[in-house]
Amino acid sequence: NAGVTQTPKFQVLKTGQSMTLQCAQDMNHEYMSWYRQDPGMGLRLIHYSVGAGITDQGEVPNGYNVSRSTTEDFPLRLLSAAPSQTSVYFCASSLTGGGVYEQYFGPGTRLTVT
Amino acid sequence: AQSVTQLGSHVSVSEGALVLLRCNYSSSVPPYLFWYVQYPNQGLQLLLKYTSAATLVKGINGFEAEFKKSETSFHLTKPSAHMSDAAEYFCAVGISGGSYIPTFGRGTSLIVHP
Repeated sequence: NAGVTQTPKFQVLKTGQSMTLQCAQDMNHEYMSWYRQDPGMGLRLIHYSVGAGITDQGEVPNGYNVSRSTTEDFPLRLLSAAPSQTSVYFCASSLTGGGVYEQYFGPGTRLTVT
Repeated sequence: AQSVTQLGSHVSVSEGALVLLRCNYSSSVPPYLFWYVQYPNQGLQLLLKYTSAATLVKGINGFEAEFKKSETSFHLTKPSAHMSDAAEYFCAVGISGGSYIPTFGRGTSLIVHP
């Protein structure tokens, strides 16, 4: 199993550009989520999904869109990049079913917006 | 609703000394509790988890944590620090019957001096 994969690993954008961060998992997990990590702020939840076709907002959703057309993939779209979106982005997945399960994290995407 | 507090954004120890990383949680129902570790430039990985079995939980790399309901704590310990333990550590809490979403603390950076 590859686990959770993320692409790209690094990205530099100019203000106003758009891009999609890719996330895929091969563990058949229903739950997937996106976090951003900033110094001193820990992990902040951006969006999450409990299955194909179902998404919801987390703590900091503004400026980001998601969709979940398959169980495996959960891309994160930045519509118009801003310097405040400079961060490290992590995708995670887990089982669901009445409990709270171990989150499996991808290696992260380091994004810089100039 | 649940919340988690990690006391101390940085903890510094000498190699061979006891490691103690503090985590306190708030939950209205019995919680699920987790510790994750993040090595530099990597994603998070699970160290250990508490799911209402034994109150003393053993994890990887010699770490363990004890669930203390009366103190609402889940502190992480290791008897003897190694240089390779230098990393960021995150405590997380989730509750059964709610969403699948764990709440993460802000993290504690463990610094190990030779």
